[in-house]
Parts: sequence; C-alpha cells; structure tokens
Amino acid sequence: DTAVSQTPKYLVTQMGNDKSIKCEQNLGHDTMYWYKQDSKKFLKIMFSYNNKELIINETVPNRFSPKSPDKAHLNLHINSLELGDSAVYFCASSQAGGNYGYTFGSGTRLTVV
Amino acid sequence: GENVEQHPSTLSVQEGDSAVIKCTYSDSASNYFPWYKQELGKGPQLIIDIRSNVGEKKDQRIAVTLNKTAKHFSLHITETQPEDSAVYFCAAVRSSNQFYFGTGTSLTVIP
Repeated sequence: DTAVSQTPKYLVTQMGNDKSIKCEQNLGHDTMYWYKQDSKKFLKIMFSYNNKELIINETVPNRFSPKSPDKAHLNLHINSLELGDSAVYFCASSQAGGNYGYTFGSGTRLTVV
Repeated sequence: GENVEQHPSTLSVQEGDSAVIKCTYSDSASNYFPWYKQELGKGPQLIIDIRSNVGEKKDQRIAVTLNKTAKHFSLHITETQPEDSAVYFCAAVRSSNQFYFGTGTSLTVIP
C-alpha cells in the first residue's frame, strides 16, 4: 500500500531518556514533515525537510532533531525527554514545488512518565 | 505570518442535518485551502481542497466555498451521517507548502 508509515504507534518512556520515531513514505514525495498534536488537538509544525533544505520551527527545543537517511525517510530523535513532550507526533509528506495536500501517517502517541 | 481561525471548536448536529465549519485567514498570499478529517486514533486525512482561482468545489456530500475578498472559506457537509463524526481541520497554504492549520472542530453527528 502507498502510504506514510511511522513506528512505533505507542511509546511510553521515562523522563531523561532518548528515543526515536521512524517515518517512511513510499509516495515518491519530495518533502517530509513532523507535527506535534497536543491534548487540545492543535497541530504544530516542528520540521519540514526536503533533500535541499531543513526548516525548523524556532519554538522547537534543540532536544528534537530530524534525521533523513534518504528521501523516503525522516526520523525524529528526541533527547532528554521531558513530561511536556507527551503528545501525538505525526509524520507527513507532500510533493514539492507547489501547493499540494499532505499525506499524514497514523501518529505516534508518546507518553513520558 | 499567516493566522488561521476556525469556528466553531465543537459542533453537534442531528443525523441528516447539515454542518458548516468556517475558517478565516489573514495572509492574502495564501492560495490553497485544504480540509482534513481526523478520526479517533488516526492521522488527519485530506477530504477536499480548493485553490484561490475557484470559488466553490463539491464532492458528493462535501463542499467548500472560498471568499478571497473577505479571506474566509467554509466546509459544508450535507445529510450528515454518524461516520462524519471526527475532528476537522482547515488550512491556508502559501507557496513552498507552508501550511497554517486552524485549531480544529470536533463534529459529533447524533443518530
């Protein structure tokens, strides 16, 4: 199936740990994104990335870092996890060079205890 | 930057009635306006979109209207069904795929 897939779906971890969320898309899209959705359902952009440019939302702590081994993958690494990092994280992708809709993954629910 | 406001934040309708969700945006450079539906436990899914050179677009029970002068656009769902219950997000998009999402509307369709 063509899709954006992210793993794991659920992640429970202790404060201070380092964790990663993986994302892969097989849609041939040029640009990938990470969004954070808080308990009020607000969608906040964290990063957008294509093979040329990484755009970081300036409000994102530098404990968060995207890693892209190739065009089809954009993983999210989080260091020194804090309670406030608990949220649902969505990966998405889109075609570049114009205005196209996003395709979202199914989300990773991160709980920091 | 762009500011997208979405209303209402919650909406309950009886099955078969219509539902309308409204969004306003501030940046006249925005030229693409998608709508997303997010069901419980899933990621948002694109359901309909409209570009700035079009005033209205319809897809079965769903329609979107755009008023560029007033900088607002709306989602209309007719003959609502329980499976329409979800959170709906509007977005205004500028060039280079800069998406600005609204704050979401939780729609409940009462059987």
